[in-house]
Amino acid sequence: DGGITQSPKYLFRKEGQNVTLSCEQNLNHDAMYWYRQDPGQGLRLIYYSQIVNDFQKGDIAEGYSVSREKKESFPLTVTSAQKNPTAFYLCAVEGLAGGTDTQYFGPGTRLTVL
Amino acid sequence: ILNVEQSPQSLHVQEGDSTNFTCSFPSSNFYALHWYRWETAKSPEALFVMTLNGDEKKKGRISATLNTKEGYSYLYIKGSQPEDSATYLCASYGNKLVFGAGTILRVKS
Repeated sequence: DGGITQSPKYLFRKEGQNVTLSCEQNLNHDAMYWYRQDPGQGLRLIYYSQIVNDFQKGDIAEGYSVSREKKESFPLTVTSAQKNPTAFYLCAVEGLAGGTDTQYFGPGTRLTVL
Repeated sequence: ILNVEQSPQSLHVQEGDSTNFTCSFPSSNFYALHWYRWETAKSPEALFVMTLNGDEKKKGRISATLNTKEGYSYLYIKGSQPEDSATYLCASYGNKLVFGAGTILRVKS
């Protein structure tokens, strides 16, 4: 979706480093989400934010941190405490479609730990 | 069923074949069922959102049905084309949105 951007597209990290993945949206939606995808598994929820200055842990929040200082931005930091960070990361925003909340996704960031 | 399950995991068909795959989800505390198409190097694209038992949605050659009582949804593609090659994700919304692992479809010309 052109209204949601994620950067970088590819990211390489050395063990022990923290890295931050960017997610920006111009759709004016309140709710934003971070998911992780591993081969053969469904998208798993890391963190989500329903409104500025508020966020909640998802199913696999350990080793990750987020902030939501602006409506447009929801960056995800992968810390050195995340034991297996190599994965594909998707950011999503939630808006109404046909009367039902629907999530719209960014293009993703592939993180590889060297 | 505690999780969202999709079958088959992958599917290879010839151009022109019709195909279908299944999404099974918990029938208790159900609110909505989402289907997404995820092409390589692109973002997942929302296809359908269905909420009512018996719902049927259609978009071109792709259609989907929903059975909330037994907890399943079918996605049908009529006359598959190479451009239909993608991973098809379903997600069930009860208390939260839970995704299946997806069905990978490859259409050979």
